[in-house]
Order: sequence, then C-alpha cells, then structure tokens
Amino acid sequence: DAKTTQPPSMDCAEGRAANLPCNHSTISGNEYVYWYRQIHSQGPQYIIHGLKNNETNEMASLIITEDRKSSTLILPHATLRDTAVYYCIVRALFEAAGNKLTFGGGTRVLVKP
Amino acid sequence: DGGITQSPKYLFRKEGQNVTLSCEQNLNHDAMYWYRQDPGQGLRLIYYSQIVNDFQKGDIAEGYSVSREKKESFPLTVTSAQKNPTAFYLCASTSGTGVHEQYFGPGTRLTVT
Repeated sequence: DAKTTQPPSMDCAEGRAANLPCNHSTISGNEYVYWYRQIHSQGPQYIIHGLKNNETNEMASLIITEDRKSSTLILPHATLRDTAVYYCIVRALFEAAGNKLTFGGGTRVLVKP
Repeated sequence: DGGITQSPKYLFRKEGQNVTLSCEQNLNHDAMYWYRQDPGQGLRLIYYSQIVNDFQKGDIAEGYSVSREKKESFPLTVTSAQKNPTAFYLCASTSGTGVHEQYFGPGTRLTVT
C-alpha cells in the first residue's frame, strides 16, 4: 500500500531553491516523515526526518503541515550534485517488521545549469 | 572510515546458477537489510536481520536466502528459484530499532542471462 504520493519528476535551476512536495494523508500519529535520496546507481542516502515540527539540517529543510497530511522538502540552493531521485517515506519508529523502509516511486529531480 | 561495503559492484551469472552477494559493515550495527531495486522502481525488502543468528523474510523473499553468522556480515544468495534475478541489490544497516537513519551500501548490479 502506497502511504505517500510524490510527483514523478521536476526540474530545478542551479542555485535556486527546490521544493519537493509529498502527500501522506493517511499518516498515523506515531509515524514520522523521512526523506532519502538516491543518486544514479548508488545506495540511498538519508536526508532528514520529522514528526510534527519543521526541521532543518545541513542538507535540507522539512516543512510539515499542521494536519501532517503533507510535507515539503526544501533544498535551499540546488547544485548539479543534487540531481537524484528523492523518496518521501512515512514510518513508525518501532515497526513490527524490523524498522524496514518502504520506498515508493519517488520524485526524479533534475538540476539544470 | 566506517561504512557498508558490497562486492562486487557488477556481477554476471548464467541462468540456473546460484550466486552470493557480499555485504559487510564496520559500523557495529545490530540490524541489517537486503533490498532489491528494479529499473525506475523503488526498493523492496528481501530479508532483514535484527541480531546475529536470526533473520526474517521481507516482502519478496522467495528465491533468496541469507545467513547472519557474524554481526558485521549479511550475505545474500540468489538461488536458481528466483524467476527474475536481474536487478540492483542494496544492503543497509541500522544500529537497531528505534533509530531513525538507515545506512546503505553502494549496491551490486546483478545480471543473469
């Protein structure tokens, strides 16, 4: 069952902010929102996670709506190296199936010069 | 440097042969995972292990087998019973349940002809 919905692709200009949306309308109260990215032919890389509050780290910012039904990952100044597939995942911290991550199709982001 | 290594990067086998993919981590992580990725798709969980000498089936375990004799190693065998073995295989680890970030290896691309 897909827990998240993301646009299949988007383009972004180098140096500009990239805003990646994610819908998770059936999210439960104990589920976190996680973002990973996968550069071509590499393993996924963790970016950020959040529960209710907005979060920021050295890579990105995560904005979660008040009703928690959607979120936006913001890459503040996109570079060519940010070209990747970005996955939005919702998951409870303690899951029966051993902490597994369920990846959907993700958003293919192309950063253009 | 701590991390997850997978070898080899590319692997070619003839149909009907079993093949074992290596995954080693020096992060002292308890939990390890194997995922499969087909072109343009997200990751799907094959097997996971939360502790040495114990492992659980994931969503697509048929045709695969694993072992966890050492904390740092979690090899995956793709058997001849796996109908469509050609794929990108990713190993991941985490320090245990209740931990947010999963670390991924660089992946092994298996081609069976």
